[in-house]
Amino acid sequence: TQLLEQSPQFLSIQEGENLTVYCNSSSVFSSLQWYRQEPGEGPVLLVTVVTGGEVKKLKRLTFQFGDARKDSSLHITAAQPGDTGLYLCAGALVDSNYQLIWGAGTKLIIKP
Amino acid sequence: DAMVIQNPRYQVTQFGKPVTLSCSQTLNHNVMYWYQQKSSQAPKLLFHYYDKDFNNEADTPDNFQSRRPNTSFCFLDIRSPGLGDAAMYLCATSRDVVGGAYEQYFGPGTRLTVT
Repeated sequence: TQLLEQSPQFLSIQEGENLTVYCNSSSVFSSLQWYRQEPGEGPVLLVTVVTGGEVKKLKRLTFQFGDARKDSSLHITAAQPGDTGLYLCAGALVDSNYQLIWGAGTKLIIKP
Repeated sequence: DAMVIQNPRYQVTQFGKPVTLSCSQTLNHNVMYWYQQKSSQAPKLLFHYYDKDFNNEADTPDNFQSRRPNTSFCFLDIRSPGLGDAAMYLCATSRDVVGGAYEQYFGPGTRLTVT
């Protein structure tokens, strides 16, 4: 079974703090995506990383893809209440049949 | 704007009463997915279509069926809903591109309640 282990599962911090969410696997991915989901809505794609070692920035969010393409991280600087949501990582295996392997999700709460 | 639309947003059905959820897309993507999601967990893939080619996940109960009459529409039929089928049902699409990342575009979901 291919797994994508995401941690932490739950994080509650104060506005202005920094945080990092991790996704790790023993499998190699051709790409890895991060989604954010707000309550009662579908997930929304934030970013896709495809190259080992790649770093992408989206305002205060920084995404990294591991050199071996087995892991990824999401770092949020100076978290805001608007960052609250469920963050999901999902990876496409090299021989994927149009499917993604999903992490368990990180429920993030930013308190004002 | 191109998008994925799900109707209804909220559906209440009785135990054992068949229910159909619908999804439409204007993205012209050839892959469509149905997911089940329970309380802040990861979405669980039920099945997906590549064009009209249907792919069922091994652990998807027989109670769940799907139809894709054309590129734009896809339906999820739950033949005899049980209390355990209460969940958010998400429809998603992606584009088949050689070496593609299968980035998925989700609808807003249908929240199913079983009474």
